[in-house]
Amino acid sequence: DIQMTQSPSSVSASVGDRVTITCRASQGISSWLAWYQQKPGKAPKLLIYAASSLQSGVPSRFSGSGSGTDFTLTISSLQPEDFATYYCQQANSFPPITFGPGTKVDIK
Amino acid sequence: QVQLVESGGGLVKPGGSLRLSCAASGFTFSDYYMSWIRQAPGKGLEWVSYISSSGSTIYYADSVKGRFTISRDNAKNSLYLQMNSLRAEDTAVYYCARDLEAAAGYFDYWGQGTLVTVSS
Repeated sequence: DIQMTQSPSSVSASVGDRVTITCRASQGISSWLAWYQQKPGKAPKLLIYAASSLQSGVPSRFSGSGSGTDFTLTISSLQPEDFATYYCQQANSFPPITFGPGTKVDIK
Repeated sequence: QVQLVESGGGLVKPGGSLRLSCAASGFTFSDYYMSWIRQAPGKGLEWVSYISSSGSTIYYADSVKGRFTISRDNAKNSLYLQMNSLRAEDTAVYYCARDLEAAAGYFDYWGQGTLVTVSS
C-alpha cells in the first residue's frame, strides 16, 4: 500500500499569510493526487485534483504542484474561511485509496 | 444541485450489524462510481469501499474486507453499505462520496455523514 505523509501536522498563520503544506507518497504516484479541506463537523471539500487542477468553484488562491512522490498545496493569501484541516489523497494505485494524516491550519 | 444524504447510522453492539444508505439526487447516479469513506472521532479520513457505476467492480479496504458489503441500486439512485461483525474500531462518521470521473479516485461531492457507534 502507498503511505502518505504530510508536513507540518499543524501550522499557525495570520490572515494574508502564504501557507504551504507538503505531502509525500511512499512511492511514485505520478500526478494522481488530490487535496481536500475539512472544517469541523463538515464533510471534506475537494480543492485540487490531478496534483494541480483546481476544482470548479475553488478560489484561485489555492494551488497545487508536484509529481512523483512530493507535492505541495499553497494558499497564496490566507483568508478567515481557510482555517481548517487539509488532507492529501493518492489515487494512483488502488485499492486502497489512501489519505495523508492531515494538516491543521489555525489562527496565530 | 448534487446531493448525497446518508442514513442508517446509530449505536450497535460489538458483533452486530448495520446497513447504511446514501440517497443521491441532482445527477445521473448510474453514470458515477461511488465510495464510502469514514472518519473515526478526532481522526483522519479512511477509505472503506468503492463501487463502479454498474456495480461490476468493487474494492474494499483490508480493514473491512469480509465484513462489509457495498452495493447500489441505480433505479433507486441509492448506495448501500452492509456492515456485519462490527467492532469498536469501526466507530466513525461514514460518508458516501462521488467519484469526479470514472475510476479517477477523486471525490467531488460528499454527503453530510452518518455516525456509527459500536459499543456495548
